Amino acid sequence: GAGVSQSPRYKVAKRGQDVALRCDPISGHVSLFWYQQALGQGPEFLTYFQNEAQLDKSGLPSDRFFAERPEGSVSTLKIQRTQQEDSAVYLCASSLGAQSTEQYFGPGTRLTVT
Amino acid sequence: AQKVTQAQTEISVVEKEDVTLDCVYETRDTTYYLFWYKQPPSGELVFLIRRNSFDEQNEISGRYSWNFQKSTSSFNFTITASQVVDSAVYFCALSVFSTGNTGKLIFGQGTTLQVKP
Repeated sequence: GAGVSQSPRYKVAKRGQDVALRCDPISGHVSLFWYQQALGQGPEFLTYFQNEAQLDKSGLPSDRFFAERPEGSVSTLKIQRTQQEDSAVYLCASSLGAQSTEQYFGPGTRLTVT
Repeated sequence: AQKVTQAQTEISVVEKEDVTLDCVYETRDTTYYLFWYKQPPSGELVFLIRRNSFDEQNEISGRYSWNFQKSTSSFNFTITASQVVDSAVYFCALSVFSTGNTGKLIFGQGTTLQVKP
C-alpha cells in the first residue's frame, strides 16, 4: 500500500495485560513518530525514530511504554501492564527525511483497556 | 516550550455560512512550521496546509483560506460557503527543528465543526 498502515485497528485489553501495536510506515521514510490521542483531545507526541535510532522518547508517559524500530522500517509500540488511562487512539506517522516537515498519518489503533 | 491553543471547542453553522477557526501558538524559536489537519469521523488525520515562519502570505485553496499573522502569533483558518462534508474536528499544529526538537507536531485541542444542512 502507498500509505501508513497500523494494526490492529482496534484492541481491547484487560487491565494488566501487555499489548503490542504495529506501524508500517511508507517505504523509504526515514522518520517515524508515535502519538497518543485521548478522547476529545489533540494527539500528543510519544516518541520519534530516525531510521532505527530512537532519538526522542520524551513523550512516553511511563516506563510501561516501550517502542522499537529494529530495522528502520516497521515499528512496534508496546505497553506493559495496561491501565485504564492507557485507553486512547495511538497514531503513527512517517516522513521522508530527518528534516521533512510533512508527516503522513496512519489510521490509528484504538486501544480500550477494561 | 511550544504550545498551541484553539479556544473554540465546538462551532455549529448552517450550510453556506462562512466560518473561521482560530489558532494561537507559542514558541521562542524563529524558525517553525504551522499546520492544519482535518480529522473526519473515520479518525484519520488529513493534512490541509503547512506554512513556515518566514512566509506570512495568506493562502487560498478553493473554499479554504489561511491567515498567518506573526504579530499576534495566530494562524486562523476560514472555510467559505461551508458544506456538510466539512463537518469534522480540525487541529492546528506547530513543529520546530532545533536542538532537542525533532520536528514532532504539537497539536491544539481541536475545534469540532458541525455544518448543518
